Amino acid sequence: GQNIDQPTEMTATEGAIVQINCTYQTSGFNGLFWYQQHAGEAPTFLSYNVLDGLEEKGRFSSFLSRSKGYSYLLLKELQMKDSASYLCAVSNTGKLIFGQGTTLQVKP
Amino acid sequence: SAVISQKPSRDICQRGTSLTIQCQVDSQVTMMFWYRQQPGQSLTLIATANQGSEATYESGFVIDKFPISRPNLTFSTLTVSNMSPEDSSIYLCSVWFTNPGGGNTIYFGEGSWLTVV
Repeated sequence: GQNIDQPTEMTATEGAIVQINCTYQTSGFNGLFWYQQHAGEAPTFLSYNVLDGLEEKGRFSSFLSRSKGYSYLLLKELQMKDSASYLCAVSNTGKLIFGQGTTLQVKP
Repeated sequence: SAVISQKPSRDICQRGTSLTIQCQVDSQVTMMFWYRQQPGQSLTLIATANQGSEATYESGFVIDKFPISRPNLTFSTLTVSNMSPEDSSIYLCSVWFTNPGGGNTIYFGEGSWLTVV
């Protein structure tokens, strides 16, 4: 079957670092995506990992271990505007299978 | 990057009616997809829109309820037929885009927020 797990909710403090984990078991894999979704808006692309290792993009980094079926999204120097849902999705020839999303609340 | 425009952005629909959502991309893309996001839920793939042939539907979705057209490589439509309140959702178009410098990205349109009353 297809299964993608991520924590439902997380809370962190402004200026801190937070790591959102995602584990997956899927029948096909050609990449893992992270999206950010603010309430009332469509998802926006954050990162794409196809090979093992860390991809860094400004305050956001994403890590992938294909052998472990594991990824994480790392957010540094948290800002209040980072309060949003973060969606982990596995790609199988362009079709995305989404986890349930992690709602991150950043507090002052 | 690819710029994706969806219409309508929002609509309130009467139950029993049908509504067609349009998705326009500013460049040719091979693969286009339609997703649904029900209130408080994550995204679920409805179907892959195939250019020049019938769409490929995921389990739980059927052509009679969600007919899809893909007349060319930049445009697709999704119709939500015979709507009921359970169809109140965000409907999102996405594209698999190959970046000129290499690598792939999947982009989403802004979404179409449908409320069925």
